[in-house]
Amino acid sequence: QVQLVQSGAEVKKPGSSVKVSCKVSGVTFSTNAISWVRQAPGQGLEWMGAIVPIFTKTNHAQSFQGRVTFTADESTSTAYMELNSLTSEDTAVYYCAREFRGGDMEHWGQGTLVTVSS
Amino acid sequence: DIQMTQSPSSLSASVGDRVTISCRASQSISTYLNWYQQKPGKAPKFLIYGASTLQSGVPSRFSGSGSGTDFTLTISNLQPEDFATYYCQQSYGPPYTFGQGTKLEIK
Repeated sequence: QVQLVQSGAEVKKPGSSVKVSCKVSGVTFSTNAISWVRQAPGQGLEWMGAIVPIFTKTNHAQSFQGRVTFTADESTSTAYMELNSLTSEDTAVYYCAREFRGGDMEHWGQGTLVTVSS
Repeated sequence: DIQMTQSPSSLSASVGDRVTISCRASQSISTYLNWYQQKPGKAPKFLIYGASTLQSGVPSRFSGSGSGTDFTLTISNLQPEDFATYYCQQSYGPPYTFGQGTKLEIK
């Protein structure tokens, strides 16, 4: 079956960076976009951006432009999201999701809690 | 960016009830509208795409309708496992934006 398995929880200092991984199995990796969505505590869902691995083509939400990088390793079917210049407002659960067509997030990872605290 | 507005923000209902959740887009999105269900501590679950097509495995008591700017999610004969938060999301074009969510609680 399709599985997206994300890396474990992180605790980071303000100003630092975090890199979250998302390993995909049970389905084709390269040709479908992987979206990244975050959810701050008690809040709703916020789309951050997406990458299509085979094209290394990415889209970003404007609010993350210049601060987030999406990459993908086709050899290991793993997608990555790196967020820089962290502040306390970046404390959230970060999800990866595989799209079956543009914007349709069919399969989700279990989420990775990133806590930013001094 | 396309803004998505859901109503109500919360809703109380009983097992066996029929409930409707609304979602409005700030511009026409044709039928590029998805619905997700999220339970506490869990990832969202993909329920409906293209405004009205049920994802495989989703019970038929869930239905979606609408086009353009106005959409609805209807759940008939509510079951205990349906109490959760529901989000609409437009897939018309990036950035893909979500509604603020509707929390469905047991009355």
